[in-house]
Amino acid sequence: GESVGLHLPTLSVQEGDNSIINCAYSNSASDYFIWYKQESGKGPQFIIDIRSNMDKRQGQRVTVLLNKTVKHLSLQIAATQPGDSAVYFCAENGLGADGLTFGKGTHLIIQP
Amino acid sequence: NAGVTQTPKFQVLKTGQSMTLQCAQDMNHEYMSWYRQDPGMGLRLIHYSVGAGITDQGEVPNGYNVSRSTTEDFPLRLLSAAPSQTSVYFCASRTGGGSYEQYFGPGTRLTVT
Repeated sequence: GESVGLHLPTLSVQEGDNSIINCAYSNSASDYFIWYKQESGKGPQFIIDIRSNMDKRQGQRVTVLLNKTVKHLSLQIAATQPGDSAVYFCAENGLGADGLTFGKGTHLIIQP
Repeated sequence: NAGVTQTPKFQVLKTGQSMTLQCAQDMNHEYMSWYRQDPGMGLRLIHYSVGAGITDQGEVPNGYNVSRSTTEDFPLRLLSAAPSQTSVYFCASRTGGGSYEQYFGPGTRLTVT
């Protein structure tokens, strides 16, 4: 079935470097995408979202890029900090009226 | 605001037992959802509600029941627990309108032996 997935289960970056987390989706009907951060033992926390009528959206230290042609979504984190260490999930509104379809997650590890 | 709260935080059940996971939100959100999260997998939608008195099935509804008698509360009932239901359960809520931004509770870790 259609699903949202991530290319890498683990991403290790040096503190201070930029991080790029990728996500591939296959439901062409999805028109809303969202990135969540989940720290150990906690529920997912909203980071940033983007609608399908946009290619790029920026927040504080984060940027989401959407390429609808290849069904690809990415999250860029600038100047990665130790507090950014978490599992990052992309999600899409592929289920229609409510509920999100989540990818499997990428574990971001920050090297000192 | 307390946001989304869930109880209990941890629970161990024996196969065949039933229980209810509680979820409440104080943000007057219309939409509420239950997800389960298994190791190495993303969250999967169990049931959701678009308002009091209205519920619907998600991706993995079998073995679970929900009800929405008030805007604030959205309990999840396990009718006869099975080891396959060992998971972490998250409740979420959001406003209506065009945003799908969901606010998640802290989760309930359930083990069925």
